[in-house]
Amino acid sequence: DQQVKQNSPSLSVQEGRISILNCDYTNSMFDYFLWYKKYPAEGPTFLISISSIKDKNEDGRFTVFLNKSAKHLSLHIVPSQPGDSAVYFCAAEQSGGGADGLTFGKGTHLIIQP
Amino acid sequence: GAGVSQSPRYKVAKRGQDVALRCDPISGHVSLFWYQQALGQGPEFLTYFQNEAQLDKSGLPSDRFFAERPEGSVSTLKIQRTQQEDSAVYLCASSTSGKGGYTFGSGTRLTVV
Repeated sequence: DQQVKQNSPSLSVQEGRISILNCDYTNSMFDYFLWYKKYPAEGPTFLISISSIKDKNEDGRFTVFLNKSAKHLSLHIVPSQPGDSAVYFCAAEQSGGGADGLTFGKGTHLIIQP
Repeated sequence: GAGVSQSPRYKVAKRGQDVALRCDPISGHVSLFWYQQALGQGPEFLTYFQNEAQLDKSGLPSDRFFAERPEGSVSTLKIQRTQQEDSAVYLCASSTSGKGGYTFGSGTRLTVV
């Protein structure tokens, strides 16, 4: 039973265009969401996060949108750059008690085409 | 060091062999987590320490898996009598508090043959 789902295993985007990565969750107790970026043979690196009390958080080229009623979040990268090619993981947690640790999706492999 | 350090980076074990994986968290980080990442999957939670106390071990897949952090800094994940299904990347993460702000190590890739 996957509580965090990333339904696109891969995504190919032209350099300079917008990349949109999607994530759905089923557990309504999740109240904090994170995106991690992972290069081969390295650990995940934190990218951006959002609390459930917000619907948008922006950091430079990266924006995360949260739609609580739909239990859906998305990561927008604009403009996309070759260095953005990596696997992106969506993760969720319960900040106030409950389960420890992060629940991850399976990841989306983003490929930026020159 | 500046980051979370894990060793060894790669480990090949024969089925039935015991292995020990080490994690050196960022100095001063209270919380330490272990995750297992199978091929093509996202990381899955194994266990959580706050200082030397193991507060959650609900993700450990069997009693062959054991983790410790005796002095509240370095942690070791031990797997006894390894099986092929134990083949995965084992990731360690640390943070200053229990929630959010995790820094991951590069992981140990375990291959059981």
